[in-house]
Amino acid sequence: EAQVTQNPRYLITVTGKKLTVTCSQNMNHEYMSWYRQDPGLGLRQIYYSMNVEVTDKGDVPEGYKVSRKEKRNFPLILESPSPNQTSLYFCASFGSGIGTDTQYFGPGTRLTVL
Amino acid sequence: GNSVTQMEGPVTLSEEAFLTINCTYTATGYPSLFWYVQYPGEGLQLLLKATKADDKGSNKGFEATYRKETTSFHLEKGSVQVSDSAVYFCALSDLRGNKLVFGAGTILRVKS
Repeated sequence: EAQVTQNPRYLITVTGKKLTVTCSQNMNHEYMSWYRQDPGLGLRQIYYSMNVEVTDKGDVPEGYKVSRKEKRNFPLILESPSPNQTSLYFCASFGSGIGTDTQYFGPGTRLTVL
Repeated sequence: GNSVTQMEGPVTLSEEAFLTINCTYTATGYPSLFWYVQYPGEGLQLLLKATKADDKGSNKGFEATYRKETTSFHLEKGSVQVSDSAVYFCALSDLRGNKLVFGAGTILRVKS
């Protein structure tokens, strides 16, 4: 079954404690992306990756890092989380960089930073 | 820059009512347009899409037509069911295709 998985699904942490949210896809997609969802704002892109070792900033990259060492994995790293990063996070993957392509989303990670 | 505007919700309907959720966009060039649906506790899944002007996307009884002249992509369904209760997102993808630009989302509640 084609899918995007994320872990953990729920996380409560404290300000400044480094954390990583993992994302994995089994569709051999080249492109992967991270979004955050906030009420009234929809989803906004944090970072994306076009292939292994190739990443670029999205619209709201501040306070986040990513890496793409393997094609299937695209972890999101918060080195020093702050309360304004409390949000619902989604990982997505897609097969090509053309605009007609469908993006496949993971189930989401709800993060609370105290 | 590119942007998407959706009608605010929540929208509350009775079962079998007609649904319209308005979506308009601002973009350079000719983006692809999408409707994604998010059921409670789940991720987003593609509902339908249209990749050029006058295309109609359809799925599960939902339809939307890409109207270039009015820069709109309104979602419609003739008869909603309780199981359609979800959050609906309109989105566009620019020519580079690296990201989706989303509207704020519209909550739909269908009562039996």
